[in-house]
Amino acid sequence: DGGITQSPKYLFRKEGQNVTLSCEQNLNHDAMYWYRQDPGQGLRLIYYSQIVNDFQKGDIAEGYSVSREKKESFPLTVTSAQKNPTAFYLCASSSRPGADTQYFGPGTRLTVL
Amino acid sequence: AQSVTQPDIHITVSEGASLELRCNYSYGATPYLFWYVQSPGQGLQLLLKYFSGDTLVQGIKGFEAEFKRSQSSFNLRKPSVHWSDAAEYFCAVGNSGNTPLVFGKGTRLSVIA
Repeated sequence: DGGITQSPKYLFRKEGQNVTLSCEQNLNHDAMYWYRQDPGQGLRLIYYSQIVNDFQKGDIAEGYSVSREKKESFPLTVTSAQKNPTAFYLCASSSRPGADTQYFGPGTRLTVL
Repeated sequence: AQSVTQPDIHITVSEGASLELRCNYSYGATPYLFWYVQSPGQGLQLLLKYFSGDTLVQGIKGFEAEFKRSQSSFNLRKPSVHWSDAAEYFCAVGNSGNTPLVFGKGTRLSVIA
């Protein structure tokens, strides 16, 4: 089946540790995205990538980093510089930004203790 | 830059009643419009989208939406709500360029017996 996988579903980390969230897609999409979701805040864009080896900051990139070494993969690292990392993180992909449907993964809930 | 407003944070309807969720957008040119649904702890699923043509768009699960350019609106409707429709609904706007979709903050739908 084609789709987007995110792992793990739940992630717990101690404060001050970096953590990497996985996102893989087999839809052959060029564009991939990371969103953060908090209650009442909707979806806030962290980073997006339109093509391999290229990515752009979204609205709330501070404290996060990404890489796009392969078309299928777009991992997100939540660094210790992120002040309040506990949230639900969603990965998405689309053929191209702007006009195409975004397809979402199931999400990862990160809790920092 | 485009923007999306979902004026209603939370709506409660009775099972079997009709539903209308409001979405207003701001964009200078012809927008690409989307409605997504999210169940708790899950990713987003596309309900329907409007790119061009007929302004009344049919989607999955019995939903429809109407694009009204004069009102900058893309309201989502369903004639008879089922308890399983309880979820959060997001409206999004895109464009023909390379910027990602912009999402509204969402409307949470509760369904009562």
